[in-house]
Amino acid sequence: SQKIEQNSEALNIQEGKTATLTCNYTNYSPAYLQWYRQDPGRGPVFLLLIRENEKEKRKERLKVTFDTTLKQSLFHITASQPADSATYLCALDLSGGGADGLTFGKGTHLIIQP
Amino acid sequence: DTAVSQTPKYLVTQMGNDKSIKCEQNLGHDTMYWYKQDSKKFLKIMFSYNNKELIINETVPNRFSPKSPDKAHLNLHINSLELGDSAVYFCASSQELAEETQYFGPGTRLLVL
Repeated sequence: SQKIEQNSEALNIQEGKTATLTCNYTNYSPAYLQWYRQDPGRGPVFLLLIRENEKEKRKERLKVTFDTTLKQSLFHITASQPADSATYLCALDLSGGGADGLTFGKGTHLIIQP
Repeated sequence: DTAVSQTPKYLVTQMGNDKSIKCEQNLGHDTMYWYKQDSKKFLKIMFSYNNKELIINETVPNRFSPKSPDKAHLNLHINSLELGDSAVYFCASSQELAEETQYFGPGTRLLVL
């Protein structure tokens, strides 16, 4: 069965450093992968989508890579700030067409310490 | 204006009751979803609904039934509530089925006593 694993439940990073979060998946070759941010008491908010033919995608201080050989995506936040503290979720569409919704990893709780 | 809204925000009820959660999106999207986030924060798809076609996750008990009066609404009805139904339920929408960003509502926190 398909598994999506995110590297750790919690990650503590010093402000100003680069935070790197990992998402690994098995038994599937997704056409794309998405990253979401979730703050306490709120719904997930979309951050970035990367397609299988894209190695890297950037948005401001965010960078996502997608290695279909390793079956892994890395999510980087450069020059991290305390406001970046949140839970970050990676998500895959396992149906190939979006019909079954997204399958999410369990998330990584990122804490940026001042 | 809120893109995806849910009511109520909190729902506390007794075991065995029947309850509904409402969801509305004003984005003009074609597809809507219901997700369940359990106490361990694991977010799982329950249903997706597109153009009157309902796709059900086979692990969802048939006590749960989504109903869509129109394209902008997908309500969730739950019969005979059980303790294990306590969770946060999120509604989401996307423009089309494939490769689209999903927009989530704020969630409904359900507590079954």
